[in-house]
Order: sequence, then C-alpha cells, then structure tokens
Amino acid sequence: DAKTTQPPSMDCAEGRAANLPCNHSTISGNEYVYWYRQIHSQGPQYIIHGLKNNETNEMASLIITEDRKSSTLILPHATLRDTAVYYCIVRNGNKLVFGAGTILRVKS
Amino acid sequence: GAVVSQHPSWVICKSGTSVKIECRSLDFQATTMFWYRQFPKQSLMLMATSNEGSKATYEQGVEKDKFLINHASLTLSTLTVTSAHPEDSSFYICSARGKAKGGGSTDTQYFGPGTRLTVL
Repeated sequence: DAKTTQPPSMDCAEGRAANLPCNHSTISGNEYVYWYRQIHSQGPQYIIHGLKNNETNEMASLIITEDRKSSTLILPHATLRDTAVYYCIVRNGNKLVFGAGTILRVKS
Repeated sequence: GAVVSQHPSWVICKSGTSVKIECRSLDFQATTMFWYRQFPKQSLMLMATSNEGSKATYEQGVEKDKFLINHASLTLSTLTVTSAHPEDSSFYICSARGKAKGGGSTDTQYFGPGTRLTVL
C-alpha cells in the first residue's frame, strides 16, 4: 500500500490560504491522490483528487509535484467552517484507506 | 457531489440485540459499497467492501458473522450488527462508488453522514 504522511495539526488565519502538505513517496504510477475532510461527527466529504496534473475545483486546488511523491491541498480563502480533519489518501485499488490526517484549525 | 444517506443517524440498543443500519445512494447506482467504523479520536477503519449482488469482502480482524452486510440492489446496502455488545459502540459510516444515473461512471467514493451506535 502506498502510505501517506501528513502533519498532525495546522493552524490558519481566517481569510488566508491554507496549504496542507502530504507525502506519498511510495506512490505507484497509476495511483490517484484523494483528499477528503471530516468535520466533527460527520461522514467524510470529498474535496478533490488527481493523478499527475494540478487540479482545481470550487472547493480547493491540488498541487502534485512532478515526481508525484508529495502533494499540497490549497484552500484559497479559509473560513471557520473549514476547521476539520483533512485526509490525504492514495487509493489502493478498490479501497480508500484512511490515515490519521491533519487537524486544520481556522482561527479568527 | 453524489449523495449517500444513512438511517438511522443514531441508535441506542441493549446488549445482545441486533441493529440494522441502512445505506442508500440517492442519485447514482452504487456498484460498490464500503462500511467503515470510527472510534472516538481515531481515524476511519475499513470493515468490508461489497459489490452489488455479491458477498462482502471483510478486512482482516472483522467478524463476518457478527457484521452482516447485504448489498442486494444498486442503491441499498445494509449492515447488521448481531448480538451487539458495548465494545461495538462506534460511529459506522458507509460509502459508495458507482455509475451516475445519467450515464458515465463516478469513480469517486462518496460517504454517508454516519450512524452513531451506542450499546448499553
């Protein structure tokens, strides 16, 4: 399984960009990187995913390094409602296996 | 994104009883469904994977006779916790992946809101 490493926690000021890093040095060529977040006592929410190219949607941007060994999720203008646990996952075949994630605290 | 619902959102039961949790994909056909469990302050743990019309594949350490999974249709999967005990108290979350009703596949996995089970 390609595993991911994320910092346990991060703080971000409201209105500023939140940049969440993820290392996945053992990723295989055909494995996608997925990002989800989980707000307390709710099911995980899909944010974005990518393979090689950078991706952007209405929620966030995903920057993947050229060697694909790491990626960064960018929330361009963090709000208090973005406080959550963010999970970076390399999809292993049919499964999404969750690690510990990063607790992002957005502060006013 | 696609919508996945769960029912009930919470349940309290007595030790020794069985509890059934339903998971529905509302706007797509879920060819594959997943069941996770999450204990307080821990990450999600995958329990089993099921394909529509097939038996579920359980992860190592998950008792298939205790956690019965049925995925009889493309929009419904159920998890039954049999003879529940206090240590089964947890947050159970289903997830689904499949084909959009309008055509095409949705390879992204979407999650339900979770069911909080408390066994007394």
